[in-house]
Amino acid sequence: RKEVEQDPGPFNVPEGATVAFNCTYSNSASQSFFWYRQDCRKEPKLLMSVYSSGNEDGRFTAQLNRASQYISLLIRDSKLSDSATYLCVVITGGGNKLTFGTGTQLKVEL
Amino acid sequence: NAGVTQTPKFRVLKTGQSMTLLCAQDMNHEYMYWYRQDPGMGLRLIHYSVGEGTTAKGEVPDGYNVSRLKKQNFLLGLESAAPSQTSVYFCASSMIPNTEAFFGQGTRLTVV
Repeated sequence: RKEVEQDPGPFNVPEGATVAFNCTYSNSASQSFFWYRQDCRKEPKLLMSVYSSGNEDGRFTAQLNRASQYISLLIRDSKLSDSATYLCVVITGGGNKLTFGTGTQLKVEL
Repeated sequence: NAGVTQTPKFRVLKTGQSMTLLCAQDMNHEYMYWYRQDPGMGLRLIHYSVGEGTTAKGEVPDGYNVSRLKKQNFLLGLESAAPSQTSVYFCASSMIPNTEAFFGQGTRLTVV
């Protein structure tokens, strides 16, 4: 079993739609969680951290469920510019090791 | 605002050739990482460093060596390139554990 698993998609949604991604992780000792965004042929960039209490940044909401070992990302009112691959990242090993999921591709269409 | 800079951006190697990829960061970060990204595999950790003079193996270290002689630089070496090492290589750095990692723009390496 992979340490971090994501549905690869692609998720094709119309502009204005709400879309949700899930990510599961296998190491119960994982310490920190993030969502990164990667545009085609570009480097990954931090989208948001994921806290136990959940957090929101504009149209984006991230949730963590430690009991079930998954994190989620909700995007409301999707924009064309949201089209990208969303990477789930889990930190283990005393903070030394960032493990990435394979990413979920989102395509927002007119 | 250079951040993390990788050189070169593109390279084509013949099987058996050697090369070094350079990663430089100007943010005084302690932690540096080398990843490779392949279709359907996501980013996989090759080697990482938790400070000047230290290195450690990641998930896929075979065929690669690294050095961190200066805090700002992290070098990734391929001693004898193989077609299986064709990939996009990303360097990243972070200040302390459990915080945001900043990535370089990537190096696209093709081994023929």
